[in-house]
Amino acid sequence: GNSVTQMEGPVTLSEEAFLTINCTYTATGYPSLFWYVQYPGEGLQLLLKATKADDKGSNKGFEATYRKETTSFHLEKGSVQVSDSAVYFCALRSAGGTSYGKLTFGQGTILTVHP
Amino acid sequence: GAGVSQTPSNKVTEKGKYVELRCDPISGHTALYWYRQSLGQGPEFLIYFQGTGAADDSGLPNDRFFAVRPEGSVSTLKIQRTERGDSAVYLCASSPKGGSSYNEQFFGPGTRLTVL
Repeated sequence: GNSVTQMEGPVTLSEEAFLTINCTYTATGYPSLFWYVQYPGEGLQLLLKATKADDKGSNKGFEATYRKETTSFHLEKGSVQVSDSAVYFCALRSAGGTSYGKLTFGQGTILTVHP
Repeated sequence: GAGVSQTPSNKVTEKGKYVELRCDPISGHTALYWYRQSLGQGPEFLIYFQGTGAADDSGLPNDRFFAVRPEGSVSTLKIQRTERGDSAVYLCASSPKGGSSYNEQFFGPGTRLTVL
């Protein structure tokens, strides 16, 4: 079956530091890949997505590139801010009609950014 | 516009009791998903509705869990004979359409269920 593995957290950084959160996946075919973010007290929000190999998703300074050869979708940001403190989830959506669009999530990575 | 809403936001119950959790999707969204998020874990799929029918209930853990969406809008997740292991945050998400084409899922804030 499908699975997503994220790097263990929590991750603690100083403001303006470089961020990488690793994500690897197992799936058949060509899944779509996502990063979701959950800010304190709020619901899950889509941060970025990539639907095919070599696509780069980007939003709010975050980027992730769909690497089929390494089955990875690592999240990066060049300069984090205190407001980026949140829980980040990597997720995949299987290709094919019988998946019905359901998402498979990683376990989440807590990011704390200090001033 | 209004997002996905879920009620109650918190529910505390005793082992063995019955609970209902409600989800109000975004108006016009035909696809509705339920997920369960245990502490320290990512959300896990429970059930998917396309319109009124449950197209995929493969994620329901056992027959104590049941969900309905009688008019194709509001959905209720029902848990019978609750157990302590059912304690989790239950998330609902809706999407303009389900199926094979991509449509973003919009998540509600969740219902935190605690079974004592």
